[in-house]
Amino acid sequence: QVQLVQSGPEVRKPGASVTVSCKSSGYTFTDYSVYWLRQAPGQRLEWMGWINTDNGDTKYSQTLQGRVTIIRDTFANTAYMQLTSLTSEDTAIYYCARGGISMIGTTAHGWVDPWGQGTLVTVSS
Amino acid sequence: IQLTQSPSFLSASVGDRVTITCRASQDIGSYLAWYHQKPGNAPKLLIYAASTLKSGVPSRFSGSGSGTDFTLTISRLQPEDFATYYCQQLTTYPITFGQGTRLEIK
Repeated sequence: QVQLVQSGPEVRKPGASVTVSCKSSGYTFTDYSVYWLRQAPGQRLEWMGWINTDNGDTKYSQTLQGRVTIIRDTFANTAYMQLTSLTSEDTAIYYCARGGISMIGTTAHGWVDPWGQGTLVTVSS
Repeated sequence: IQLTQSPSFLSASVGDRVTITCRASQDIGSYLAWYHQKPGNAPKLLIYAASTLKSGVPSRFSGSGSGTDFTLTISRLQPEDFATYYCQQLTTYPITFGQGTRLEIK
């Protein structure tokens, strides 16, 4: 079955960086994009960016531009998200998710499914 | 694009029919998805393109709307439906989510 498995929890000090991995299985990795999202305590879900796993093109949230980098390894069917210059406000559960497109009539509609299990990143001094 | 869900909290009983509303700050056509999330788990897709049920999702779930106003309806609540529900727009970057509707057992 389609599955995205993320790396384990991380604890970092303010100013440090963190990298979270996301290994996909059960489908052709390069046929779908990979999204990264996060959920901070008490906050709504936040989209961070996505990567076209076929050609490596990326799109990032402007609020995180310059701090977030998403890459992929097509041989390992794995995507990676690096976030730098961490502050306590980056404490959150980080999710990767498969992004796809379905045609309804002549219109392409995006969807995001399934999601990885989530990775808790804690930023604390 | 801001998405505002109502209500933020909903208390209902098994067998009830419930409706959750999602309002967008500008026209998003039908580029809206619905998810539910149980504590400790990742969100799961229910509906995309405003009204298309993901394969395998029970038919008691339905979505409607276009433009700025959307609804998610659960026709007969089952115990496994008690969760938090989110809407998501995918028409414009940044992709955004509603604040969530927490559905609890009465």
